Amino acid sequence: DAGITQSPRHKVTETGTPVTLRCHQTENHRYMYWYRQDPGHGLRLIHYSYGVKDTDKGEVSDGYSVSRSKTEDFLLTLESATSSQTSVYFCAISESTGPYGETQYFGPGTRLLVL
Amino acid sequence: AQSVTQLDSHVSVSEGTPVLLRCNYSSSYSPSLFWYVQHPNKGLQLLLKYTSAATLVKGINGFEAEFKKSETSFHLTKPSAHMSDAAEYFCVVSDRNFNKFYFGSGTKLNVKP
Repeated sequence: DAGITQSPRHKVTETGTPVTLRCHQTENHRYMYWYRQDPGHGLRLIHYSYGVKDTDKGEVSDGYSVSRSKTEDFLLTLESATSSQTSVYFCAISESTGPYGETQYFGPGTRLLVL
Repeated sequence: AQSVTQLDSHVSVSEGTPVLLRCNYSSSYSPSLFWYVQHPNKGLQLLLKYTSAATLVKGINGFEAEFKKSETSFHLTKPSAHMSDAAEYFCVVSDRNFNKFYFGSGTKLNVKP
């Protein structure tokens, strides 16, 4: 299994509080992604990173920010959590991208409940 | 814009019978296509990927998928279902720059003994 850990694995928080989720990899892969998974929607990309300090938005980025100060860590922050952000969050990594279909490796997920 | 439609939200088969999970995509370019599997309370694992090298793609655990450009489809098949195949399956398409990925809504496969 690819060396990807996510912390915390479970979190309950209240509306309006800030929340930070951490993704840590030991593979030295360049690309890192944050997705959220909701019933009926599959996984949707929130933000991704293509290198240290290089990030870009995905399709559901509103209300989320990210930072990547080291190759191995990719942080997802909910500045002021809302109930609509209750979800399961997955981090993924890939060594590269391109037309050869680089594989993404997924972390175990973080379950976030916003009350 | 690219999109992915998985035509069945639930599929139920008996053990030992064939599996067909359907996926249609919409894209103005030649994308990379993937199938991922997610077992209950687990992360996702790659089953197979299409990268324009061959239209019939073989993956792990006996799964394969055929890319049909004229039908914009990438259906997943397996000749004989096993109980361990019970999981949720996601069809995924890349964007034009192969940096972003778009998931279908998923198909839950139930395998009956």
